[in-house]
Amino acid sequence: QVQLVQSGAEVKKPGASVKVSCKASGYFFTSYAMNWVRQAPGQSLEWMGWINVDNGNTKYSQKFQGRVTFTRDTFANTAYMELSSLRSEDTAVYYCARPESGSYFNHWGQGTLVTVSS
Amino acid sequence: ESVLTQSPGTLSLSPGERATLSCRASQSVSSYLAWYQQKPGQAPRLLIYDASSRATGIPDRFSGSGSGTDFTLTISRLEPADFAVYYCQQYGSSPRTFGQGTKVEIK
Repeated sequence: QVQLVQSGAEVKKPGASVKVSCKASGYFFTSYAMNWVRQAPGQSLEWMGWINVDNGNTKYSQKFQGRVTFTRDTFANTAYMELSSLRSEDTAVYYCARPESGSYFNHWGQGTLVTVSS
Repeated sequence: ESVLTQSPGTLSLSPGERATLSCRASQSVSSYLAWYQQKPGQAPRLLIYDASSRATGIPDRFSGSGSGTDFTLTISRLEPADFAVYYCQQYGSSPRTFGQGTKVEIK
């Protein structure tokens, strides 16, 4: 079955960067795009963008353009999300999410809590 | 950006009752709308995609309808496991956006 397993919780200081990983199993990794979605405490969900895992092309939400980078390692079946210049408002749970088709998300990682605090 | 507005914010109902949740888009998203259920400490779970298609393994008490700008998620008879927060998401335009959520709580 499809599984997305994310890296553990992180605590970062303002201005730092964080890199979250999402290891996929149970399917052919390069056959599906990977999206990233975040959720601040008590808030709704916010789409950050996606990466074409096959060719590495990316699409970022304009809100995060210039601060976020999606990469992947096809040998390790792992996708990565790096967010830089962190501020307190970036405190959130970050999810990787994979569609079956289209841009709705059938499969989700368990989430990674990133806390930004001085 | 297509803004999704969900109503009501909270729905207080008893098990066995019918729940009707609304999602309105600020511009047409055709039928490119999904619904998710989220419980505390868990990732969202896909319920409905393409406005009215049930995802794999979703019971038939969940149904979706609508197109364009107005959408509805109906839970025909609430079971204890259905008390959760529900989000709509559009994928008709970029950026993909989510509604602010409707909490279905036990009355």
